[in-house]
Amino acid sequence: AQSVAQPEDQVNVAEGNPLTVKCTYSVSGNPYLFWYVQYPNRGLQFLLKYITGDNLVKGSYGFEAEFNKSQTSFHLKKPSALVSDSALYFCAVRDLTNFNKFYFGSGTKLNVKP
Amino acid sequence: SQTIHQWPATLVQPVGSPLSLECTVEGTSNPNLYWYRQAAGRGLQLLFYSVGIGQISSEVPQNLSASRPQDRQFILSSKKLLLSDSGFYLCAWSRGGSSTDTQYFGPGTRLTVL
Repeated sequence: AQSVAQPEDQVNVAEGNPLTVKCTYSVSGNPYLFWYVQYPNRGLQFLLKYITGDNLVKGSYGFEAEFNKSQTSFHLKKPSALVSDSALYFCAVRDLTNFNKFYFGSGTKLNVKP
Repeated sequence: SQTIHQWPATLVQPVGSPLSLECTVEGTSNPNLYWYRQAAGRGLQLLFYSVGIGQISSEVPQNLSASRPQDRQFILSSKKLLLSDSGFYLCAWSRGGSSTDTQYFGPGTRLTVL
């Protein structure tokens, strides 16, 4: 079965510092991986995806993610955090063998302090 | 461009009352459609998905049902609400026939069952 895990419920970082939100995956076959952000009482917004190619994927709002096949990880990163980045972040994997369903991690709350 | 609508935005219903939440997508055809429930602002639980009109797959047996009467309309229903049905309901779509596209989420419906 396909799955993703987000080992941290919460990440705290000071504004201006780099941030990392962790995600590991377990899939059979090639992984199609996604990151989403959710602000309070809103739907999820797409940030970036990895399908194939360069292991470093750039996305919206200055975020990027690094795909590491040997470590089965897809960590979300940003060089300099903003207070406005504070939100709930979800990692997801697409199951290509099962009607294209998406499996989401449990979410990581990012707190950026001024 | 494509847009996704959900209504109502918020709903307060008594236990035992019926439910109907609607989701519509504009600007695309034959999308895959999904209903998720998010409890306590954290993980997403996939409830139903649909790859075409009248084709509904249920992920978790429960008090809810879904229907897709038109290509871009997805309805979540219940005959009798339970307290445990409270939560944030998200509709999403992805391009039919595409294995690499992301999901796009609606703004959500906050349901409180009293």
